[in-house]
Amino acid sequence: SQQGEEDPQALSIQEGENATMNCSYKTSINNLQWYRQNSGRGLVHLILIRSNEREKHSGRLRVTLDTSKKSSSLLITASRAADTASYFCATDDNTDKLIFGTGTRLQVFP
Amino acid sequence: DAGVIQSPRHEVTEMGQEVTLRCKPISGHDYLFWYRQTMMRGLELLIYFNNNVPIDDSGMPEDRFSAKMPNASFSTLKIQPSEPRDSAVYFCASSRLGRSAGELFFGEGSRLTVL
Repeated sequence: SQQGEEDPQALSIQEGENATMNCSYKTSINNLQWYRQNSGRGLVHLILIRSNEREKHSGRLRVTLDTSKKSSSLLITASRAADTASYFCATDDNTDKLIFGTGTRLQVFP
Repeated sequence: DAGVIQSPRHEVTEMGQEVTLRCKPISGHDYLFWYRQTMMRGLELLIYFNNNVPIDDSGMPEDRFSAKMPNASFSTLKIQPSEPRDSAVYFCASSRLGRSAGELFFGEGSRLTVL
């Protein structure tokens, strides 16, 4: 079963706009990770945030984590057409397993 | 490093046939994971290994599925006999020191079609 649920399921924006994706999960965690998947390819790790962190940045990516609400958000600023992909959150539910959410399909139009 | 290598990239087979998917993890990684991805069910964890030992196979759908890791550089996922509902993309991923230490590195996947 899936640990996380992403919202929205799909998002379409213009280049230059910001894209925000949300993830909710069910159990306590050690860390939460975000991955990207281009069509027909494997997943690629973007960023990891630990349960004792509230915000993390990496380039145009900003991730927040609210453990009291069991939720996280991924913000991509100044989006580009090349950001078009599916984005997944993943949590470890305090075990060695990494369980993925349902994903958000992002389409960035030039 | 070449990354996680999976083969075959595409497999089309008929119901009842045996399917073997292969994975070479990144050298030095202690953990190996097998995931299955479908439109209906998303990404499902099937089984994972630590130091070549299966740790949790609770995600394996049924007895038709089996996975082995005979050494640190090779793993197989076998389906026998295959059924149309097994059609999916199967991903192998490896990591160092487990999920809490960092990220998973995924292969490009094996797309299986069972007719």
